[in-house]
Amino acid sequence: AQSVTQLDSQVPVFEEAPVELRCNYSSSVSVYLFWYVQYPNQGLQLLLKYLSGSTLVESINGFEAEFNKSQTSFHLRKPSVHISDTAEYFCAVSDPGGGSNYKLTFGKGTLLTVNP
Amino acid sequence: NAGVMQNPRHLVRRRGQEARLRCSPMKGHSHVYWYRQLPEEGLKFMVYLQKENIIDESGMPKERFSAEFPKEGPSILRIQQVVRGDSAAYFCASSPPTLTGAGTQYFGPGTRLLVL
Repeated sequence: AQSVTQLDSQVPVFEEAPVELRCNYSSSVSVYLFWYVQYPNQGLQLLLKYLSGSTLVESINGFEAEFNKSQTSFHLRKPSVHISDTAEYFCAVSDPGGGSNYKLTFGKGTLLTVNP
Repeated sequence: NAGVMQNPRHLVRRRGQEARLRCSPMKGHSHVYWYRQLPEEGLKFMVYLQKENIIDESGMPKERFSAEFPKEGPSILRIQQVVRGDSAAYFCASSPPTLTGAGTQYFGPGTRLLVL
């Protein structure tokens, strides 16, 4: 069974500082990778995804993530955060080759708090 | 295009009562998924449905839980004889049908169930 590890449960940073949210997964096969963001009392919104092709994927609001197959990682980065980025971030994987490629396995989440 | 809709957003039940959670997928989406988020945990897959069919219910508790997605109307997640351990946020997601099955899942705002 797949598993996803988000190493940091909480990441406090100051506004305009860079941030990296770490995500590692356990799988020896190809995977699809996702980052979702959850604002307080709201549902999850897809931030970015890796299905194939370029290992660096970007979102429209300045986040990027790089798929590293050798390290089985998909860390999320932003060079300069805003207070509005305060939210919980979830990393998720699915197995494209199996019969259950729809089944997302989530990490426990990282709470990013951006302070002024 | 309206997003995934869930209602109610908050539901309070006493032990032993029934909880019915509703999910209307995005227009054009024929696949529905239910996930449960326990406090301080990531989302856990429960069930995957297509119209009038349960495709995968491997994440559903064996007793008291059931799900349906009728030909007409929303998908329903039903919890009978609720217990305090059922208190959680229940998220519905939907995706369009694709040839590869890698349709991105779009999440609703969730229903937060509290069992007293």
